[in-house]
Amino acid sequence: NAGVTQTPKFQVLKTGQSMTLQCAQDMNHNSMYWYRQDPGMGLRLIYYSASEGTTDKGEVPNGYNVSRLNKREFSLRLESAAPSQTSVYFCASSYRNTEAFFGQGTRLTVV
Amino acid sequence: TQLLEQSPQFLSIQEGENLTVYCNSSSVFSSLQWYRQEPGEGPVLLVTVVTGGEVKKLKRLTFQFGDARKDSSLHITAAQPGDTGLYLCAVKRAYSGAGSYQLTFGKGTKLSVIP
Repeated sequence: NAGVTQTPKFQVLKTGQSMTLQCAQDMNHNSMYWYRQDPGMGLRLIYYSASEGTTDKGEVPNGYNVSRLNKREFSLRLESAAPSQTSVYFCASSYRNTEAFFGQGTRLTVV
Repeated sequence: TQLLEQSPQFLSIQEGENLTVYCNSSSVFSSLQWYRQEPGEGPVLLVTVVTGGEVKKLKRLTFQFGDARKDSSLHITAAQPGDTGLYLCAVKRAYSGAGSYQLTFGKGTKLSVIP
């Protein structure tokens, strides 16, 4: 079972570069999430999508954009990367906000 | 202010010892989840507690939901090195729009069990 698949697993960007983090789930879940995890800060919600075609800002949305391409895919875009966006990014999905299933994460370094 | 306060932030114990970690809030929740995250992996759900006063057991792990549904604890008996990881509590939080919820996490307790 694939579950939630994130790509890439690792990425190094220069300040000002852009990139898109991809996420796909095969569990037919309605809700999808993007979190970032920093030491001592826990998981902080960046953006959230309750269903295909809808997105909402979370706790830390500045500097990010998202697209819910279809029910399976939810991408996160950094338009102009900054060192403060160095983090581990997790995508997750759930059925009606019950158990959340997470991907393995993307480790992003912005230099 | 943090919705969920987890304590302690760090815990290092010897194999075989018992421990308890806590998740506290001033808000009332309909349910609360506990996740474990191992290094290099995403969090994985351990349990969901729903009823005030509820106790759930998962092998050596005992989870309790407070009577007032504002807090929860996780007790591990005879800890093993395989229990090492970050323990996170999470709750559903109503967001914009009717029926729209998000999962909000605490900062976690980082547990190290030394052989």
